[in-house]
Amino acid sequence: EPEVTQTPSHQVTQMGQEVILRCVPISNHLYFYWYRQILGQKVEFLVSFYNNEISEKSEIFDDQFSVERPDGSNFTLKIRSTKLEDSAMYFCASSESGSNQPQHFGDGTRLSIL
Amino acid sequence: AQTVTQSQPEMSVQEAETVTLSCTYDTSESDYYLFWYKQPPSRQMILVIRQEAYKQQNATENRFSVNFQKAAKSFSLKISDSQLGDAAMYFCAYRRKSSGDKLTFGTGTRLAVRP
Repeated sequence: EPEVTQTPSHQVTQMGQEVILRCVPISNHLYFYWYRQILGQKVEFLVSFYNNEISEKSEIFDDQFSVERPDGSNFTLKIRSTKLEDSAMYFCASSESGSNQPQHFGDGTRLSIL
Repeated sequence: AQTVTQSQPEMSVQEAETVTLSCTYDTSESDYYLFWYKQPPSRQMILVIRQEAYKQQNATENRFSVNFQKAAKSFSLKISDSQLGDAAMYFCAYRRKSSGDKLTFGTGTRLAVRP
């Protein structure tokens, strides 16, 4: 069964550094998402992406964050200058076109900011 | 704004027994989707079951079934014949019916299964 894949599985970065989290969505999917989960808390929506542009973003997704689909297969989340509170699990998800299509999640990237 | 509430932070069930996890939500929409996701210690997010709001019939997937009460905005998950592998964090989630809309998650219920 096709899967959403995320790399790396664990990223350790110094505060203030830039980090890029990578995702390869399922190939025929058209909608892409990033969510984050701070340890012990619920999963929170960050951003959705469709047709090469952001469709919706949450208040968490401030100017430090950006997303890109650089080559038709990868979907990246960049955090420009990381803060301690960015430490979390970041999940990528994708879905097919159609309102009844579920989102399929990757295994997540654990981001640790030191 | 839509909200999802899970009032049981932790639940415990004996292996082979049945357990019900509660979820309530708030929305002004009339048509939407509801989901239960399972997150084992590996922290993957695995779709367990989903329900379309306009369908009266409760969804079932093998040992997993839901009790969807639209008027009460309640969406509980019943796990029958609980297995050790069912031990995980369970998240209830809501999504509007629009294509590509985001999921709104509850705070989760941690389920322990006693051997």
